[in-house]
Amino acid sequence: DGGITQSPKYLFRKEGQNVTLSCEQNLNHDAMYWYRQDPGQGLRLIYYSQIVNDFQKGDIAEGYSVSREKKESFPLTVTSAQKNPTAFYLCASSGTIPYEQYFGPGTRLTVT
Amino acid sequence: AQSVAQPEDQVNVAEGNPLTVKCTYSVSGNPYLFWYVQYPNRGLQFLLKYITGDNLVKGSYGFEAEFNKSQTSFHLKKPSALVSDSALYFCAVRELTGGGNKLTFGTGTQLKVEL
Repeated sequence: DGGITQSPKYLFRKEGQNVTLSCEQNLNHDAMYWYRQDPGQGLRLIYYSQIVNDFQKGDIAEGYSVSREKKESFPLTVTSAQKNPTAFYLCASSGTIPYEQYFGPGTRLTVT
Repeated sequence: AQSVAQPEDQVNVAEGNPLTVKCTYSVSGNPYLFWYVQYPNRGLQFLLKYITGDNLVKGSYGFEAEFNKSQTSFHLKKPSALVSDSALYFCAVRELTGGGNKLTFGTGTQLKVEL
C-alpha cells in the first residue's frame, strides 16, 4: 500500500450524519484521488486534486466534499446528501509521467 | 473519451497452468496502460505498465502483459499460475495527452486459481 495511509479501516455511522475519511501520503505526489468501490462496479472516481488548494469533481461527486489544504492530505467528507454511502472508499496519489497511481488500504464505510 | 473493457467477470485456472486476463481499451490517441491487483479488503497494488517501447511488458510476481495496438488490447498473462494469484485484477488506461491526469479503470476480473 506504499506511503498512503487511510483511517479508519472500518467506519460505522447513522443515516443523516456527515463523516470524514482521512487520507495522508508521504510520497511527495502532487495529485490525489478518491474512489468508491462497489461490488461488480469497479472503481468510480469521486474527486481528484492535481495541486494544493485545487480539486475537480469526478464522475460521482454528488453528496461528497473534499479539501486540499496541504500536499500530504486529501480528506473526503461523505455528507447526509449522499443517498447510498455504504461502500469501500479508496484514496490514491500519483506523481509525474506516466502517472501510475498508488493506493491506500481503503476505508469501509457502513451507514445504517 | 477513454474507456476500458474487461470482458470476463471471472477466470478460473488450475495451478501450474498459464493464465490470461483480458483487457481492451479505447482512447483517441496513444495510451498509457496499467494493471493492478486487489486482495480482499485491501487497496489496489500496481503490477505493471505500458508506456512505449516493447510490446511485452514484465511486472511484479511473474506477471507480464502484451500490448497489441491493432487489437487495442493489453492482456495480462502468467506462464504458471499459483493459488496465491487468486485476486481481483483491474486494467486501467490514460491518454498520453489530455485526459485530465485521470485513469479509467475496468470493472475488474476475479481470478480463481485452483489446486
